[in-house]
Amino acid sequence: GEDVEQSLFLSVREGDSSVINCTYTDSSSTYLYWYKQEPGAGLQLLTYIFSNMDMKQDQRLTVLLNKKDKHLSLRIADTQTGDSAIYFCAENPQAGTALIFGKGTTLSVSS
Amino acid sequence: DVKVTQSSRYLVKRTGEKVFLECVQDMDHENMFWYRQDPGLGLRLIYFSYDVKMKEKGDIPEGYSVSREKKERFSLILESASTNQTSMYLCASSSAGTGLINEKLFFGSGTQLSVL
Repeated sequence: GEDVEQSLFLSVREGDSSVINCTYTDSSSTYLYWYKQEPGAGLQLLTYIFSNMDMKQDQRLTVLLNKKDKHLSLRIADTQTGDSAIYFCAENPQAGTALIFGKGTTLSVSS
Repeated sequence: DVKVTQSSRYLVKRTGEKVFLECVQDMDHENMFWYRQDPGLGLRLIYFSYDVKMKEKGDIPEGYSVSREKKERFSLILESASTNQTSMYLCASSSAGTGLINEKLFFGSGTQLSVL
């Protein structure tokens, strides 16, 4: 069945880089997404990558996609305490169907 | 800015009560979704709707129903609330357009429901 896997927790020090990993199952997914959920809030789209790309950079965020291994990662450079949140990976296996979310990775940043 | 508004931030109900969770979006989005979020389980899709009066079951529809009488409003109904329905409920909407990220979801802030 379809499943998106993520590790549940990551703890880093302020100023370090954070890398959150995700594996997905459906190679036909057109887009892959990263959503961020801050405490007490709903999810917000952080970034996305089209399936024909290997990498996408957006300021402190770098998304890497390995289609062969169905592996997606999100790197946050110079992690700040404000980056503490839950990060969800999501795929859309078929256009027009609902996204499939991973269970979320809780990122804890200590000063 | 797109706004998805959920009517209550916190709700406490008793077992057996009928519960209505309301969600309104102001961007004329065709698609609307209800998820529940539980620690260690992530987001699970309950129901979604691609148009007015249209609904589709998600992964965990048992014990829930929905209503979409108007495009901007999507209601989640717990016919007879049970303790295992204590959860955070998140509503989301998206456009059905052919834009680059037509599956981009906009989420409400959530309703934390406690069933006692």
